[in-house]
Amino acid sequence: DGGITQSPKYLFRKEGQNVTLSCEQNLNHDAMYWYRQDPGQGLRLIYYSQIVNDFQKGDIAEGYSVSREKKESFPLTVTSAQKNPTAFYLCASSIWGDSTGELFFGEGSRLTVL
Amino acid sequence: DAKTTQPNSMESNEEEPVHLPCNHSTISGTDYIHWYRQLPSQGPEYVIHGLTSNVNNRMASLAIAEDRKSSTLILHRATLRDAAVYYCILRDLYNQGGKLIFGQGTELSVKP
Repeated sequence: DGGITQSPKYLFRKEGQNVTLSCEQNLNHDAMYWYRQDPGQGLRLIYYSQIVNDFQKGDIAEGYSVSREKKESFPLTVTSAQKNPTAFYLCASSIWGDSTGELFFGEGSRLTVL
Repeated sequence: DAKTTQPNSMESNEEEPVHLPCNHSTISGTDYIHWYRQLPSQGPEYVIHGLTSNVNNRMASLAIAEDRKSSTLILHRATLRDAAVYYCILRDLYNQGGKLIFGQGTELSVKP
């Protein structure tokens, strides 16, 4: 079945360590996105990518990095520079250029920094 | 980007209709109204979207005010599985970045 797969679902890390969250999609979508969600809050955009080898900062990109070497994959690295990394991270994809279309989301990765 | 205002929470009884309101008084002519919902510990899922006319799909109906400054998501018969946070979002027709701005949404609880 087509969809978005995020891994791992739960992740614990020590403060000061970099962490990479995986996001893979087989929907043949050009656009991919990373959002962060804190308890009781809405989603905030971290980074998005329109095409391979190109990506743009969202509203809260500081302390995060991404790469887009393949159409299917958009990994997110939470670096030690991110001051409060404990959160629920959501990856999404969509058809690029279709502003009426829907975003498809993965099931999320919950990161806890100890 | 234009913003939306929704009640923090609503309650419904199972098998009754639910009307979830959304105010967007600063909506522009090229803004589409999108609704997503998020079940606990899951990613959001698309529900419905519209521009000016009322819309129906298998999940819900969307009623849009004539001046487009408000809209209402209608769940015709609430089930326990409809308990979720519902987000009303404006998306500019020319917004190529997919930058959906999620507010806090409305948390819907459904009582058996």
